[in-house]
Amino acid sequence: EDQVTQSPEALRLQEGESSSLNCSYTVSGLRGLFWYRQDPGKGPEFLFTLYSAGEEKEKERLKATLTKKESFLHITAPKPEDSATYLCAVQAWETSGSRLTFGEGTQLTVNP
Amino acid sequence: GAVVSQHPSWVICKSGTSVKIECRSLDFQATTMFWYRQFPKQSLMLMATSNEGSKATYEQGVEKDKFLINHASLTLSTLTVTSAHPEDSSFYICSARPANEQYFGPGTRLTVT
Repeated sequence: EDQVTQSPEALRLQEGESSSLNCSYTVSGLRGLFWYRQDPGKGPEFLFTLYSAGEEKEKERLKATLTKKESFLHITAPKPEDSATYLCAVQAWETSGSRLTFGEGTQLTVNP
Repeated sequence: GAVVSQHPSWVICKSGTSVKIECRSLDFQATTMFWYRQFPKQSLMLMATSNEGSKATYEQGVEKDKFLINHASLTLSTLTVTSAHPEDSSFYICSARPANEQYFGPGTRLTVT
């Protein structure tokens, strides 16, 4: 069974204080790992897809990396508007219908 | 990115009534759409996979007679919560994928009184 564990559950940062969120996964064969951002009362917003170990992707202050066991979402010099819940999800090759398995998320708060 | 819409964004209904939620892909066609449920402070739980022109595939533990899914066209899927009860109150979110990435709708907040 595919499993995704995110840590920490919650993270408070000061504006400009860089940090990383972790996503550990267990999957029979990784087809893709996805990062989403979710604001309260809204649907998840797509951020990145990573497909193979060693792959990295960047978008503004966010950088996602992938190893064979985990993914990190690095946040550089965060701003208050980066406050949100960040969700990690995996998709396995053996899974039919392209279903995603989500982690519980990391709730990020950036204080001004 | 691709755009997925949902309607309504929130709905309040009385116990025992049925509620229909629409999910539309606005700028692409989707043969497959997904329906999720999210309780407060929890992550997304897949309820079912909606397939255009065929029956939906439900996850284990999800009552298919209670959560009716119809994928009538390549841009529209509907979820009907039948005989709703207070425990069905939740945030329902749909998604669709133009390629490999899933894009999510804004969600529908259902409150059953």
